[in-house]
This record gives sequence, structure tokens and C-alpha cells, in this order.
Amino acid sequence: EAGVTQFPSHSVIEKGQTVTLRCDPISGHDNLYWYRRVMGKEIKFLLHFVKESKQDESGMPNNRFLAERTGGTYSTLKVQPAELEDSGVYFCASSQVLGYGYTFGSGTRLTVV
Amino acid sequence: RKEVEQDPGPFNVPEGATVAFNCTYSNSASQSFFWYRQDCRKEPKLLMSVYSSGNEDGRFTAQLNRASQYISLLIRDSKLSDSATYLCVVTVFDAGNMLTFGGGTRLMVKP
Repeated sequence: EAGVTQFPSHSVIEKGQTVTLRCDPISGHDNLYWYRRVMGKEIKFLLHFVKESKQDESGMPNNRFLAERTGGTYSTLKVQPAELEDSGVYFCASSQVLGYGYTFGSGTRLTVV
Repeated sequence: RKEVEQDPGPFNVPEGATVAFNCTYSNSASQSFFWYRQDCRKEPKLLMSVYSSGNEDGRFTAQLNRASQYISLLIRDSKLSDSATYLCVVTVFDAGNMLTFGGGTRLMVKP
């Protein structure tokens, strides 16, 4: 079984540019989550999709962040325009059952310079 | 106050030692508890779930004390390969079962 795949693994962009992160969950997993770890802080929840619907986006920092999951398969997280404080590692996770059996992707390391 | 608090360490122990990590959580509505392991520059991976009755998986024993809102992880006979960051994680059902992470405790097992 293929795991959760994230692309790109690394991204270095300039402040003000746009970056789009992609996550391919495990096939059949309706629940898809985005988390983020900024330097020196704990991993924090960003949002949760059930199929194509946003179930909870309470962790999204501001309106520069836009997440989509068209068709309930892969998801994208766009940051526009990027700011220095957006630097960190963005993890995607998926699960078949709500609250259990999370599998994390290897993350996208975003550096905004 | 952080929702999940852990001593960041590092804990430096020799091979074969027994080491214990603790974690406290602030939300009394927390209902599921886990220990995750994260290797350097890798994703978190589930180590074990934690139950009130305590549970053991090989050299690892986890314990939950709901009254004190306290979770522990004991590692016996430490191996070099146990070196990693151990993350204490809780979920709250009403919060959509999202994972709330502690900052992690770093373990370094030395030869």
C-alpha cells in the first residue's frame, strides 16, 4: 500500500511569492489533515477534510492560506503571498477512521527568504 | 499554558538504560492518547496508543493517569536505534479528533 505522498519535499521561495503544496493521501482514506511545525514550536493542526469538504479549518493562520481537495482525492495547500513566518515543515496525514490510524507524509520543508 | 507539555530534554542515556518520559495535558475532555516517534527530518510515526489500564509493547510501556492528566512512556533496555524525539499527542472528540502535539522529548542513546 502506498503511503501518504507530499510534493515538493523542499521549497525555497522569496517573501511575497506563491507556493502550492500537494498531498496525495492513502487511497480510500476519506480524512485528510494538514499540520505544520514552525521552528522551535510544536506541530500544530491546520485543517481537516472529510472527502472534499472542509470539516475543520480552525487552525489556518490567516487568509493567505487556501486549502482545497477537489474530488476528495489529493489536496493542495496554497500560501499567497508567503511571509517569513510561514517557514516550517508542512505535514499531511490521512486516516480511514476519524481520529485513529493516522499516517503522515514525509512533509514539505518550506523556507521563505 | 501549552495544551500538551513535555520536557524537551535531551535525555542522554547509555545503551541498556531504562528511561522514562512524562507529559501533561490541560484539556480534561481529552479522550485519546498516543506516543509518536519522530526521527530527525522525518515524519511522526505512531509508537503506541495509551490506555488507562496501561499497555506494553515489547520494551515500551505507556501509562495514562486521567485524574492527574498525566501520560508516561517507559523504555527499557535502550537501544541506539531508540534515539529520536518522542511526541506526546492527545485528541479531543469535540474538537474533531485533531491531534494536539506536545513539543517532544529528545532521546539520545549513547554506546
